[in-house]
Amino acid sequence: NAGVTQTPKFQVLKTGQSMTLQCAQDMNHEYMSWYRQDPGMGLRLIHYSVGAGITDQGEVPNGYNVSRSTTEDFPLRLLSAAPSQTSVYFCASRPQGRANYGYTFGSGTRLTVV
Amino acid sequence: AQKVTQAQTEISVVEKEDVTLDCVYETRDTTYYLFWYKQPPSGELVFLIRRNSFDEQNEISGRYSWNFQKSTSSFNFTITASQVVDSAVYFCALSDRDRDDKIIFGKGTRLHILP
Repeated sequence: NAGVTQTPKFQVLKTGQSMTLQCAQDMNHEYMSWYRQDPGMGLRLIHYSVGAGITDQGEVPNGYNVSRSTTEDFPLRLLSAAPSQTSVYFCASRPQGRANYGYTFGSGTRLTVV
Repeated sequence: AQKVTQAQTEISVVEKEDVTLDCVYETRDTTYYLFWYKQPPSGELVFLIRRNSFDEQNEISGRYSWNFQKSTSSFNFTITASQVVDSAVYFCALSDRDRDDKIIFGKGTRLHILP
């Protein structure tokens, strides 16, 4: 049982490049989310999803796209990377409607945009 | 709008002391969930607790305890007899009960336990 798997763990991009951060979970969780973590800013919600085919914007969605074609996968796309997107990105999942459950987080992707 | 405030940016205590991490939240919703997460130096995020707004009972789990007070919109976290392994960043978070897929985090409190 792998939990939430994020790839890659580290990435360096040049300004203007595009890329996709991968997130997969094998727990059949309905809910999935993407957060970014910046020093002094805590975790900020980028996009989230309640199930396949359904996504919604969080606090800081600009510059990012998501899709949810399957329950397992929730990729985050950076369309044209900017230095302001340098951050640590976390993907998380949890089952719907389970009392006392929190999100299970992946180990993070550290992204640097130069 | 929902908001979580953790006013303590960084706290240092000597091992075996008790320490309380403050969390104040804002929401217009009458039903909501509150959370605490731990992020040790290794970087992963570990879920500690989820509390329903209907349940104001204090929670205790070993050396950890949580005090939920709706009247002051606070959900404070106390570590008793702290240990070096408790050193981490701790995040308080909030979600609307009807939209509990969307969780908003505070900025975190970095806790240093000194040997």
